[in-house]
Amino acid sequence: AQSVTQPDIHITVSEGASLELRCNYSYGATPYLFWYVQSPGQGLQLLLKYFSGDTLVQGIKGFEAEFKRSQSSFNLRKPSVHWSDAAEYFCAVAPNRDDKIIFGKGTRLHILP
Amino acid sequence: DAGVIQSPRHEVTEMGQEVTLRCKPISGHNSLFWYRQTMMRGLELLIYFNNNVPIDDSGMPEDRFSAKMPNASFSTLKIQPSEPRDSAVYFCASRPGTTNEQFFGPGTRLTVL
Repeated sequence: AQSVTQPDIHITVSEGASLELRCNYSYGATPYLFWYVQSPGQGLQLLLKYFSGDTLVQGIKGFEAEFKRSQSSFNLRKPSVHWSDAAEYFCAVAPNRDDKIIFGKGTRLHILP
Repeated sequence: DAGVIQSPRHEVTEMGQEVTLRCKPISGHNSLFWYRQTMMRGLELLIYFNNNVPIDDSGMPEDRFSAKMPNASFSTLKIQPSEPRDSAVYFCASRPGTTNEQFFGPGTRLTVL
């Protein structure tokens, strides 16, 4: 069965610092991969997605993610975080276009002023 | 587009009462998902529909929970009778047939006293 692991429950970075959130998945073939963000009191919003092609994917709000097949990873990055990036981030995987999405447990990002 | 609409946004009820949560998906989307989010268990998929037909209800916790989708523009999640452990935020999401991206509603925060 597919699974998604986000090893960091909480991460704290200073405003202006770079960010990397880790995500590993368990699936034999190349799945559909997603990063969603949830601000407090809000629903989830898609940041970016990977289906195929270029392994470096650009998303909204200045985020990017890189798919590494050899490491079964899809880490999320941002070169310089802003206080408004404080939120919970979910990595997710689906085996194909028509199947349900499996979400990770989430990583809560805290920003220090 | 108004996005996914959920009502009510907040619901407070007493144990034993019936609770009905409502969802209007984005027009033209043919899949609908119900999730539950708690601090302890994270984001859980309860059930999803394709073209108004339930495809996977393995996440529905017990018989007290039921979901319907009588037409393409409306779905309900009912809990009868409700219990304090049902307190959570319930999200509805919809998905077009052309992509695996899900669009989330703002959620309904349910408190069962």
